[in-house]
Amino acid sequence: NAGVTQTPKFQVLKTGQSMTLQCAQDMNHEYMSWYRQDPGMGLRLIHYSVGAGITDQGEVPNGYNVSRSTTEDFPLRLLSAAPSQTSVYFCASYRGGTDTQYFGPGTRLTVL
Amino acid sequence: LAKTTQPISMDSYEGQEVNITCSHNNIATNDYITWYQQFPSQGPRFIIQGYKTKVTNEVASLFIPADRKSSTLSLPRVSLSDTAVYYCLVGRSMDSNYQLIWGAGTKLIIKP
Repeated sequence: NAGVTQTPKFQVLKTGQSMTLQCAQDMNHEYMSWYRQDPGMGLRLIHYSVGAGITDQGEVPNGYNVSRSTTEDFPLRLLSAAPSQTSVYFCASYRGGTDTQYFGPGTRLTVL
Repeated sequence: LAKTTQPISMDSYEGQEVNITCSHNNIATNDYITWYQQFPSQGPRFIIQGYKTKVTNEVASLFIPADRKSSTLSLPRVSLSDTAVYYCLVGRSMDSNYQLIWGAGTKLIIKP
């Protein structure tokens, strides 16, 4: 049982490039979320999903797209990277309601 | 949305009991109070959750007064490995309206 996995661990992009951050969970959780965390700050919700085929925007969705074709996977796509998107990105999954969120190890993204 | 207020930082010594208080004046009837712990370069990890009165598990206790406008996380006999950032969250997730706000957390430093 791997829990929540994220790839890559580190990534450097140039302004304007696009890329996809991968997230997968093997706990059969319906709910999945993407957060970003800037230095010294708390987490901010980017997008979330309440089940396969259902996604919605969080607090800071601009510049990011998501899709949820399976229960297990929830990729986050950066459309045209900007320096303001330099951050650590965390993916989380949980069963729903007030259940515990399980977080992945994070992807550290730098946009030059 | 219920916003939380926590001390920015605290320090203590090994073997001491540490209490971190969180203020959440706008807590709603359906809101739960959840605490997470985050080590550097890792995703947050669930510590404890409660609705009212007192909750205890193998790592911490959570005290919630009757008016629920604040809560206190208690860590008994801390060790150096408890040095981390602790987040207090108030909220609930509804099927299609996910609501959780992460503040900057409390940076706890344990000294030998």
